[in-house]
Amino acid sequence: KAGVTQTPRYLIKTRGQQVTLSCSPISGHRSVSWYQQTPGQGLQFLFEYFSETQRNKGNFPGRFSGRQFSNSRSEMNVSTLELGDSALYLCASSLPSNIQYFGAGTRLSVL
Amino acid sequence: DQQVKQNSPSLSVQEGRISILNCDYTNSMFDYFLWYKKYPAEGPTFLISISSIKDKNEDGRFTVFLNKSAKHLSLHIVPSQPGDSAVYFCAASAPGGTSYGKLTFGQGTILTVHP
Repeated sequence: KAGVTQTPRYLIKTRGQQVTLSCSPISGHRSVSWYQQTPGQGLQFLFEYFSETQRNKGNFPGRFSGRQFSNSRSEMNVSTLELGDSALYLCASSLPSNIQYFGAGTRLSVL
Repeated sequence: DQQVKQNSPSLSVQEGRISILNCDYTNSMFDYFLWYKKYPAEGPTFLISISSIKDKNEDGRFTVFLNKSAKHLSLHIVPSQPGDSAVYFCAASAPGGTSYGKLTFGQGTILTVHP
């Protein structure tokens, strides 16, 4: 069974631009969660989607948004990028259950 | 407000010996706990988990212990191998509602196993 796939793996953007990251969950998994990892803040929960609905949201500004499609694939979007948005963005899928399985992440650098 | 804490940023162990990684939490609503291992440039890999109704769970070389009264859990790796060298994250989840799909992570402990 294929794991969680995130694309692209690396991304370089400039301040003010917007970016879209993609996540394909494990086949059969219907819940997708997104996390931001930075050296200072560690792994922080962004939001979770299930059946195309956002069920939960972390403490991030409205510039961070996401969506989920009928095939459970998910995208997250960050608008008006700031330098502080440079981070590793991780997607995780679950059935849903308590155990989440992570992708390799997208490394975003904002210049 | 850090609800899950790993107070040891790093741990160094000799191959063959036991590695003990510790984690403390403050939120009494947490009812499920997980350990993940992470290598550089990869996502976290699930290792082992434990429900709050248990106090111990084993899987091969890995054992997780939960002390609910102390709000403390630990991961034991026996015997430790050089391939275990990685960052280990403790994570916790609470039931439903505003906790859907949310894991709260500790800051991680870098484990180095020397040959």
